[in-house]
Amino acid sequence: GQNIDQPTEMTATEGAIVQINCTYQTSGFNGLFWYQQHAGEAPTFLSYNVLDGLEEKGRFSSFLSRSKGYSYLLLKELQMKDSASYLCAVRDNYGQNFVFGPGTRLSVLP
Amino acid sequence: DSGVTQTPKHLITATGQRVTLRCSPRSGDLSVYWYQQSLDQGLQFLIQYYNGEERAKGNILERFSAQQFPDLHSELNLSSLELGDSALYFCASSVGVSGYNEQFFGPGTRLTVL
Repeated sequence: GQNIDQPTEMTATEGAIVQINCTYQTSGFNGLFWYQQHAGEAPTFLSYNVLDGLEEKGRFSSFLSRSKGYSYLLLKELQMKDSASYLCAVRDNYGQNFVFGPGTRLSVLP
Repeated sequence: DSGVTQTPKHLITATGQRVTLRCSPRSGDLSVYWYQQSLDQGLQFLIQYYNGEERAKGNILERFSAQQFPDLHSELNLSSLELGDSALYFCASSVGVSGYNEQFFGPGTRLTVL
């Protein structure tokens, strides 16, 4: 079956670092995506991983281990505007279906 | 502003009715994706079109259908509507057909079925 797990909620302090984990079990694998979604708005693309390792993009980094079915999103130097939901998604079945996790709601406190 | 437009912004209708949601992709993007987001189900991928052809199918009900026209805009048709179809429907577009292309999401259409 298809399953993606993420923590439901996380809280962190402005200026800190936070790691949001994602574990997945899907039929086939053709890439893992992270999206940010502010309340009431559309998702915005953050990162894409298809090979094992770390992809860095400014304050955001994403890591993938295909053998472990595991990814994380690392957010550094947290800002208040980073308070949002973070969605992990996997494209499976050799590039067909996108499966989304339930999302992690991150609250950044002053 | 992602460059993807969706109309209408809000839609209120009754059970059993049929509605059409419209999406215009970013200039130059050939792929269009449709998603449904509800409180209990989260974000779900429905279908992808690339340059007029269906390329991938997700959890799309048989009551739902979509198409992409020669000018690349797309329409999602929802028929025999049920209360459970109330949700936010997003359209996204990307340059290529592959999954690794960044997808740009439109603002969404909020559908309420009464």
